[in-house]
Parts: sequence; structure tokens; C-alpha cells
Amino acid sequence: RKEVEQDPGPFNVPEGATVAFNCTYSNSASQSFFWYRQDCRKEPKLLMSVYSSGNEDGRFTAQLNRASQYISLLIRDSKLSDSATYLCVVNPLNFGNEKLTFGTGTRLTIIP
Amino acid sequence: DAGVTQSPTHLIKTRGQQVTLRCSPKSGHDTVSWYQQALGQGPQFIFQYYEEEERQRGNFPDRFSGHQFPNYSSELNVNALLLGDSALYLCASSKLAVLTDTQYFGPGTRLTVL
Repeated sequence: RKEVEQDPGPFNVPEGATVAFNCTYSNSASQSFFWYRQDCRKEPKLLMSVYSSGNEDGRFTAQLNRASQYISLLIRDSKLSDSATYLCVVNPLNFGNEKLTFGTGTRLTIIP
Repeated sequence: DAGVTQSPTHLIKTRGQQVTLRCSPKSGHDTVSWYQQALGQGPQFIFQYYEEEERQRGNFPDRFSGHQFPNYSSELNVNALLLGDSALYLCASSKLAVLTDTQYFGPGTRLTVL
């Protein structure tokens, strides 16, 4: 079983729609969680950290369910510029500068 | 404030050759991690350097080695290249003492092995 699993997509979503991604992780001892965004042929960039209480940043909402070991990302009112690959990232320790374990990524295309 | 820089941008090698990739961390950062990203996959952790020593290592063979210099810059060396080593190699930097710090990635070096 992979340490971090994501649906690779692609997700093709009309502009303005809401889209949700899920990710599951196998190591129950994992402590910190992130969503990264990667544009085509570019480096990954941190989108947001994910906290147990859930967190929101504008149109983006991230949730963590430790009991079920999954992480979610919700994008509301999607824009063309949201087209990218979204990587779910897990860290065994409680800070982000240790070894990061990435999922394969979910590819999102926003259609005009 | 310069971000993470990597060189070269692209590289083409043949099987059996050796390659060296270079990374300069973001200003103020002291820790460098290397990742390999094959096409259609997420980045895979190779190793991490701090204070010029390998601090953590992922599941990669000894053909992959690294070095960190006193100015915190780093090199990744790959010996006896295989076709399967073709990938985007990403360098990420962070400051170890800042527990909430995340890693910042450079633009990567795209290696093609023929």
C-alpha cells in the first residue's frame, strides 16, 4: 500500500464550480499535512497546511480526519488559474522541514 | 530575496555516465533536501543535508550521493546512470530550527538518460 494515495484524475471542471479532492495516508503516526500545487513543468509550491480543526484560505478549505486517515481539499468558485496538479503531502513529524512524503497528485483542469 | 536556485536546468546523459546537480538554498536556510520526480508521479525523497552531513535518507541506492558545503549549497551526484534515472530532480530548502517551517522548492533540473 502506498504511504499517500490520491485519485490521479484528471478532474475536468467548469469555471465557477466547486471541486473536492481526497487523499488517504497509511502511517497513523503522521503529524503534519500539507497541500502543494504544481503547475506543468514547474516546482511544487505550498498551497496550505492542514490542521485538525480545518482551515480556510479564501476559496480553499482543507480538512483532516485523523480517525479515518484522510485529508481533503475543497476549491470553491473555481478559476481558470486553478488548473494545476494538487499534491497531498504528509510528514511523520510535527513540522514541515523533515522528510515529506508526496502522493502522486490529482490533476485539475478548469474549463471555460 | 533570492529563492532556491538549481543548475543546470536541463541535462542529457547516456547510460553509465555520472552527473552532478547543484542547488543553492533560499537565503537564511540551512537545510537542503533532494527529491526525484518521475513523470506522472509525486516527488520522492532522496536525502537531506544539514551541517554538511546527511541527516536522513530515502529508499535510493548508493549510486545517489550528496554533499553540502559550508555556505549551505548542495550537490547531488548520481553514478552509473540508468534509463530509470530520467526525472525532474528537485532541491528544497528550509531552516531546521524553525519547527513550523516548510520546504521551499527550486525549479528543478530535468535529467534525461539515453
